Amino acid sequence: DAMVIQNPRYQVTQFGKPVTLSCSQTLNHNVMYWYQQKSSQAPKLLFHYYDKDFNNEADTPDNFQSRRPNTSFCFLDIRSPGLGDAAMYLCATSRGSSPRAPGYTFGSGTRLTVV
Amino acid sequence: GNSVTQMEGPVTLSEEAFLTINCTYTATGYPSLFWYVQYPGEGLQLLLKATKADDKGSNKGFEATYRKETTSFHLEKGSVQVSDSAVYFCALISGAGSYQLTFGKGTKLSVIP
Repeated sequence: DAMVIQNPRYQVTQFGKPVTLSCSQTLNHNVMYWYQQKSSQAPKLLFHYYDKDFNNEADTPDNFQSRRPNTSFCFLDIRSPGLGDAAMYLCATSRGSSPRAPGYTFGSGTRLTVV
Repeated sequence: GNSVTQMEGPVTLSEEAFLTINCTYTATGYPSLFWYVQYPGEGLQLLLKATKADDKGSNKGFEATYRKETTSFHLEKGSVQVSDSAVYFCALISGAGSYQLTFGKGTKLSVIP
């Protein structure tokens, strides 16, 4: 089945130690997104890639970076995780210039714990 | 800017009860509207969607109608099951060239046997 896969499901990292979360998709969608969802809150968009074009949200901290080496993979890098970065990180994809019609396809998320 | 307002939870219902979760929105242009469901420990799943006024989205017994005159997209189900226990998010995409889903805060539903 075509899908969006996030690894790992659970990630524990130390305060200040760089961490990378990964996302892969078999849908051949050209837009990929990273959302941050803190406990009992709505998901918040961090950034997205339209093909290779990176689009950062204005209020996304510099501590968060992303890479998309090819259509199928996208990575979220947190350079120096703080306790406030503990959250569920959701990867999503959509097709072409019309995200409205099909909506997004979300992965199952990676729950990040910072100790 | 765009915003979505959902009824506050948590909502607790008995099995086979009728469910309504209210959702209203503010948006520029003509948004597309979505309901997503999040089961415990999982990511988001698209439940249903509507892309223009008076469209009705439906899936798994859930329905929602895009009401432009009242800027609403209320989620309904005639008979809930224990397996429907989850958090439900109303969301929209609007604005030319926009890719950002704007979410409501979510409504937690618990269905008890």
